[in-house]
Amino acid sequence: EVQLVESGGGLVQPGGSLRLSCAASGFTFSSYWMLWVRQAPGKGLEWVANINQDGSAKYYVDSVKGRFTISRDNAKNSLYLQMNGLRAEDTAVYYCATYIGYWGQGALVTVSS
Amino acid sequence: DIVMTQTPLSLSVTPGQPASISCKSSQSLLHSDGRTYLYWYLQKPGQSPQLLIYEVSKRFSGVPDRFSGSGSGTDFTLKISRVEAEDVGVYYCMQNKQLTTFGGGTKVEIK
Repeated sequence: EVQLVESGGGLVQPGGSLRLSCAASGFTFSSYWMLWVRQAPGKGLEWVANINQDGSAKYYVDSVKGRFTISRDNAKNSLYLQMNGLRAEDTAVYYCATYIGYWGQGALVTVSS
Repeated sequence: DIVMTQTPLSLSVTPGQPASISCKSSQSLLHSDGRTYLYWYLQKPGQSPQLLIYEVSKRFSGVPDRFSGSGSGTDFTLKISRVEAEDVGVYYCMQNKQLTTFGGGTKVEIK
């Protein structure tokens, strides 16, 4: 069974940092592009970043460029999102996902003083 | 960036009746590899999005055949042949020909 399990969400002050993790199982993690998608409260889905199979290609939505870093560890079947310089508008549920149809349950990130 | 525009914003459907959602992209989604990278997702209340259709018209594993996708280039459609109560939620189209972008969503409710 395919599973994607996010962790690392929480409450952080503006300007602070958080690192989200996503543990993958049930499929050959190293064979697939991975992505992070977020959903602000009551809003639609927004692609945040994606990364290719060996981590050599990474892309970001303009609003997070220079603040967020996507990475992966294929030996650990894990995906990460390092988020620095957090802003109130980054408040959202962050989903780890694949392009082959599998999504995690999401991790809530709240940026507030 | 490729902009995805969905219509309508919301839909109220009688059970057993058909429903249709449109998705238009600002650029052609036909990739040089011959594939068209257009997906349809359903996010049921309180749940993560679930993949329904990939590459315009291919149903994902376990998706009922009442769901079908069609289109080409910049114009795409998701059709539900006979809506059931379990189909309520927000439907999103998504492209990943060039980066990844989602449509704004279409909320489907049951009358």
